[in-house]
Amino acid sequence: RKEVEQDPGPFNVPEGATVAFNCTYSNSASQSFFWYRQDCRKEPKLLMSVYSSGNEDGRFTAQLNRASQYISLLIRDSKLSDSATYLCVVNSFQYGNKLVFGAGTILRVKS
Amino acid sequence: DVKVTQSSRYLVKRTGEKVFLECVQDMDHENMFWYRQDPGLGLRLIYFSYDVKMKEKGDIPEGYSVSREKKERFSLILESASTNQTSMYLCASSSPLATGAYGYTFGSGTRLTVV
Repeated sequence: RKEVEQDPGPFNVPEGATVAFNCTYSNSASQSFFWYRQDCRKEPKLLMSVYSSGNEDGRFTAQLNRASQYISLLIRDSKLSDSATYLCVVNSFQYGNKLVFGAGTILRVKS
Repeated sequence: DVKVTQSSRYLVKRTGEKVFLECVQDMDHENMFWYRQDPGLGLRLIYFSYDVKMKEKGDIPEGYSVSREKKERFSLILESASTNQTSMYLCASSSPLATGAYGYTFGSGTRLTVV
């Protein structure tokens, strides 16, 4: 079983739609959680950290459910520029404080 | 802004060649990492380093070695390149963020093709 699992998609949505991605992680000792965004042929970039209480950054909302070991990302009012691959990432001190990346979910926003 | 620079954006090498991929960061980060990224597999950790002259194996170290002689520079070495090492190679560095959470800054990647 992969440490971090995501639905690869692609999610094809129209502009203005709300879209949600989920991600599950297998290591209950994981302590920090992130969403990264990766544009085609570019490097991953930190989108937002995910906190236990949930957090919001503009149109983006991240939630963490420790009991079920899953993380979600909600994007409201999708823009064409949101088209990218979204990587779910967890960190565990058990693994020497390294980040473990999911394979990513592809989002395509169409006009 | 933290900057992580990888020496080459695209590289084509022949099977059996020794290949050096260089990575330099300018923010005095302690931690540096080398990943490869392949379609459907995501990012896989090859090697990492938490300090000068220190190195640790990641999940897929076979066929690779690393060198960290200076804090700002972390080199990945393919001892004898093979076609299955054709991939996108990403270097990253990190240091604790103000919140105490960790996040990485990546270089722009090196797309290596071994022929």
